[in-house]
Amino acid sequence: QQQVKQSPQSLIVQKGGISIINCAYENTAFDYFPWYQQFPGKGPALLIAIRPDVSEKKEGRFTISFNKSAKQFSLHIMDSQPGDSATYFCAVSGGYNKLIFGAGTRLAVHP
Amino acid sequence: DSGVTQTPKHLITATGQRVTLRCSPRSGDLSVYWYQQSLDQGLQFLIQYYNGEERAKGNILERFSAQQFPDLHSELNLSSLELGDSALYFCASSPHKNTEAFFGQGTRLTVV
Repeated sequence: QQQVKQSPQSLIVQKGGISIINCAYENTAFDYFPWYQQFPGKGPALLIAIRPDVSEKKEGRFTISFNKSAKQFSLHIMDSQPGDSATYFCAVSGGYNKLIFGAGTRLAVHP
Repeated sequence: DSGVTQTPKHLITATGQRVTLRCSPRSGDLSVYWYQQSLDQGLQFLIQYYNGEERAKGNILERFSAQQFPDLHSELNLSSLELGDSALYFCASSPHKNTEAFFGQGTRLTVV
């Protein structure tokens, strides 16, 4: 069963725009929600993460918004740049820290 | 550079063969995870070791096995390889439960 649903599958944004990627999960036992960024031929790199005791976390141009009651969280990339073009994965974790990943969103930022 | 080292970077082998992928976690990290990434399946969790012991198992085939050694490096063994096993295999490590996991650069396995 798909424990994490990520949308959209792909996203095209103009330079300077806001990129928004959403994830929804089922299991309320999850307590760690990271986002990973992956460039072609590279391993996923941790971008930003949040725990359910806060509703928002910001690091530079990247913000996670977390809605515990709706079991949803999203990644916002402000002032998107061509260098942000990559595949983004949300993930959830609980217990023994096994990460369950969403299907990924391929972001293209056009100059 | 995440600090997680995987070897080899690329591997081409024939069907029916057996290969071993190696992972050195970040210094001090006790947990090692293995993931498989294919175009149609995304990032799939295979198995986790914590301080030498198997901690969690995902969708790992019986033809696959792994272990974590006393020096904390890990190996993933893939046997009786099939064309469908062609994928990127990633190792990740983290210091302890519920903390950030850092991924290596992966091993690209091609089965011909």
